Amino acid sequence: QTVVTQEPSFSVSPGGTVTLTCGLNSGSVSTSHYPGWYQQTPGQAPRTLIYSTNTRSSGVPDRFSGSILGNKAALTITGAQADDESDYYCVLYMGSGSKVFGGGTKVTVL
Amino acid sequence: EVQLVESGGGLVKPGGSLRLSCAASGFSFSSYSMNWVRQAPGMGLEWVSSITYSSDYIYYADSVKGRFTISRDNAKNSLFLQMNNLRAEDTAIYYCARDHGWSPLVSWGQGTLVTVSS
Repeated sequence: QTVVTQEPSFSVSPGGTVTLTCGLNSGSVSTSHYPGWYQQTPGQAPRTLIYSTNTRSSGVPDRFSGSILGNKAALTITGAQADDESDYYCVLYMGSGSKVFGGGTKVTVL
Repeated sequence: EVQLVESGGGLVKPGGSLRLSCAASGFSFSSYSMNWVRQAPGMGLEWVSSITYSSDYIYYADSVKGRFTISRDNAKNSLFLQMNNLRAEDTAIYYCARDHGWSPLVSWGQGTLVTVSS
């Protein structure tokens, strides 16, 4: 059973930097998992921030960046703003068409 | 601009069936793999099913295998999800999402709500 792990919550100060991670219960995350990151606010559809590890989706500000850090995928928000307060999900491609989401990270900006 | 518009959601009794549709526009639909993703109330995202551009390969999450069927009509730029033997735990917003090459789930629709209740 593949489990994708994310921090349940994170708090960041306005203007601060926060790094969210996306790991696997067994094994390391690599670019071959094509990690993606999504932002979701209540009542809205997910918004794609990053795909294929570090490619920003159209219209996404460059304060959002994706990378591989150690054995995990990472989403870094630099210069956090009040409207970054959202839920953030990662997804990994596990092969044979299967995609697995992490449980999500609730980010609070205060 | 990529547009994905889901329809077909509603209230259905346990054991019932429902067919969801996703109308695609703004891109060459027949060139992309497509997916259904769902989100139960207050919960996270769950990948449900995917279909390659030519329908050659189809995949399902274990939670829906044998009950749901994904299909597409490239001539009508449409994606479908036939849901049979529905259960209360299938209650969720269902999103249509497009892959981008090997990158999964890059473009999303706004979703359609399915409620399974007696």
